[in-house]
Amino acid sequence: NAGVMQNPRHLVRRRGQEARLRCSPMKGHSHVYWYRQLPEEGLKFMVYLQKENIIDESGMPKERFSAEFPKEGPSILRIQQVVRGDSAAYFCASSPGRTVNQETQYFGPGTRLLVL
Amino acid sequence: QKEVEQNSGPLSVPEGAIASLNCTYSDRGSQSFFWYRQYSGKSPELIMFIYSNGDKEDGRFTAQLNKASQYVSLLIRDSQPSDSATYLCAVPPFGAGSYQLTFGKGTKLSVIP
Repeated sequence: NAGVMQNPRHLVRRRGQEARLRCSPMKGHSHVYWYRQLPEEGLKFMVYLQKENIIDESGMPKERFSAEFPKEGPSILRIQQVVRGDSAAYFCASSPGRTVNQETQYFGPGTRLLVL
Repeated sequence: QKEVEQNSGPLSVPEGAIASLNCTYSDRGSQSFFWYRQYSGKSPELIMFIYSNGDKEDGRFTAQLNKASQYVSLLIRDSQPSDSATYLCAVPPFGAGSYQLTFGKGTKLSVIP
């Protein structure tokens, strides 16, 4: 019973490059959430997606960040023209639904992004 | 702005003692509450969730919820050194739409052998 999968686990980019983070939800889960954890900071919500739909992107910076969850394949969080301040751990979580008892979110192992 | 507050700690308890972790939240309409454990350098791991006022027990863990006081706590009985981690309280917003979790900054627990 595979859990939430994320890759890569570690990603090093130079300033100005693009970072692509991938997330495959748990089997049977159709809701995906991305969170960011800056060093010594709490987890902050970025974006909530269902298949082919962005439901809530209120936590995602307007510039340089985008997310998708296509009909086939993993969810992707894309960061263009990375800056040093983007260095953080990016966690993906999934849930089976969003009603009570269906909303419990399970986290993947995260992608640690380091921008040089 | 929905807020979830936790004491950052560190909270130190001797092995075998009860560790008590507290969390307050600002959204009076919140219906469900989650506790996650995060070891250093690892991802959050679900410990418990609670929806109803009162206590919910699971092994050595007990979650307590008081909606009137907007307060949720986690008790860890017979604390073990392996319980040393940061404990995160998380609350989704009330109402339909989005179920993103608002996390507290976490309480760092240290269980001393």
